[in-house]
Amino acid sequence: GNSVTQMEGPVTLSEEAFLTINCTYTATGYPSLFWYVQYPGEGLQLLLKATKADDKGSNKGFEATYRKETTSFHLEKGSVQVSDSAVYFCAPGGSNYKLTFGKGTLLTVNP
Amino acid sequence: GAVVSQHPSWVICKSGTSVKIECRSLDFQATTMFWYRQFPKQSLMLMATSNEGSKATYEQGVEKDKFLINHASLTLSTLTVTSAHPEDSSFYICSVPGTSDYNEQFFGPGTRLTVL
Repeated sequence: GNSVTQMEGPVTLSEEAFLTINCTYTATGYPSLFWYVQYPGEGLQLLLKATKADDKGSNKGFEATYRKETTSFHLEKGSVQVSDSAVYFCAPGGSNYKLTFGKGTLLTVNP
Repeated sequence: GAVVSQHPSWVICKSGTSVKIECRSLDFQATTMFWYRQFPKQSLMLMATSNEGSKATYEQGVEKDKFLINHASLTLSTLTVTSAHPEDSSFYICSVPGTSDYNEQFFGPGTRLTVL
C-alpha cells in the first residue's frame, strides 16, 4: 500500500515568514496527491491537489508541485498569516478511493 | 463539493454502553462513505468503507463487531460503537468521495467520543 513521510512538527513561524512542509510518498503508479488542512476545532478541508506529474496545485497562497522523480509534494507559502495556523496533512490517493494520510504537521503562526 | 455533516459533534457515555454516530451527505448521493479515527495529535486512520446496500469493508485490525456500520441510504451512514470502553475515546470522522476525482474526499466535522 501507499505510505507517506511528512515533516514532523510542530512548526512555529512569525507572520510573513516563508513556509515549507516536506512530504514524500511511496505509491503504486502515479496517484493524485493532496494536501488537507484541519483548522482548530474543525474538520479536514481540501487545501490543494495535483493529479499528474509536474502539476502545481495552489490555493490561498499555498502551492505544491507533483514531483514524480523525487516522489515528493512539498507544501510552500511565501508569507504565512496567523489564520494559517492549523494542522496540515499530505495524502496520496490510492485504489478504491482510499487516501493515506501523513502524520500531520502542526503549524503555529505568531503575530 | 459535497457537504457532509455528522451528529452528534461530541458525546460522552459510560463504559459498556453503545453510541451511534451519524454521517450525512447533505447535497450529494453517496454510494460510498469512509469512516476514520483520529487520535490526539496523530493522523487519520481509515477504519472502514461504508457501502450503500451492502456490508461495510473493514480495514485490517478493526473489529467489525465492535464498530458496526450501516449505510441505509444514499445520504446516511451510521457508525455504532458497541460496548464502548475508555480506549474507544477518540475523534471519529466520516468522508464522502467526490465525483470528478474519486480520490478527493469531503469530510464531516467529526464526532468527539469520550467514554468514561
